[in-house]
Amino acid sequence: QVQLVESGGGVVQPGRSLRLSCVASEFTFSAYAMHWVRQAPDKGLEWVAVISYDGSNKYYADAVKGRFTISKDNSKNTLYLQMNSLRADDTAIYYCARDFLLSAFDIWGQGTPVTVSS
Amino acid sequence: QSALTQPASVSGSPGQSITISCTRTSSDVGSYNLISWYQQHPGKAPKLLIYEITKRPSGVSNRFSGSKSGNTASLTISGLQGEDEADYHCCSYAGSGPLFGTGTKVTVL
Repeated sequence: QVQLVESGGGVVQPGRSLRLSCVASEFTFSAYAMHWVRQAPDKGLEWVAVISYDGSNKYYADAVKGRFTISKDNSKNTLYLQMNSLRADDTAIYYCARDFLLSAFDIWGQGTPVTVSS
Repeated sequence: QSALTQPASVSGSPGQSITISCTRTSSDVGSYNLISWYQQHPGKAPKLLIYEITKRPSGVSNRFSGSKSGNTASLTISGLQGEDEADYHCCSYAGSGPLFGTGTKVTVL
C-alpha cells in the first residue's frame, strides 16, 4: 500500500550532523511535493521544510533555515533531510509527509526519533 | 511566529458531540481556506481528517466535520466513540509555510 518509511534517526551530540531518509512506495513519488514535520516530546507538530515535486523549490521554517537541507532523489523514491549544527531543541520525532493541496499532508511515515544531547 | 491556539483538552461522553477550536490572527486562519485537521493516537503518526476547512478524504468517518468563522476554524466530532480519544491538530497555510496548532487532547469519559 501507499507508504513512507523514515530512517536515520538516533542520538547525536550538539553541533554534529545527521541525515534522515524517507523511502516512498506504491505511489508516483516524482509527482509529489514532500515535507518534513517534527514533534518534540509532549509537544505539538512543527513544520520543518518542503520540497517541490521536482526538487527545484525548497522552503524552510525559520528555526532550521541555514542548518537543515531538504532534498529528494526521484530515481530512488527517497526524501532526505540533512541536519547540521544540531541543537538540543531539535530533539523530536521527525516525520516525512506527502503534500496534498499546499498545507495538507495526506500520507505520513511512522517517524524517526532524533535526540540531541551531550 | 506563534502557533495556532487550540484548547489543551476537550472531553465528552460517548454519543455526545464536541467541538475543537483553532484560532489565529487574521493573517492566517482568517485569510486562507487551506485549513486541515489531524488525529494522532499515542505513539502513532498523524492522520488527515479534514482538508480545505470542510472536506473529508476518502475513508474518514462523516462523524468528523470542519468549519470556519472569521479567525477561528473548528472541528466537530459527532457521536463520540472511545476510539476518538486522541490528540487533534489543526494546520493553516501561513505566508511563510504551514502552521500547526498547539494541539488538543480529547478524552472520552
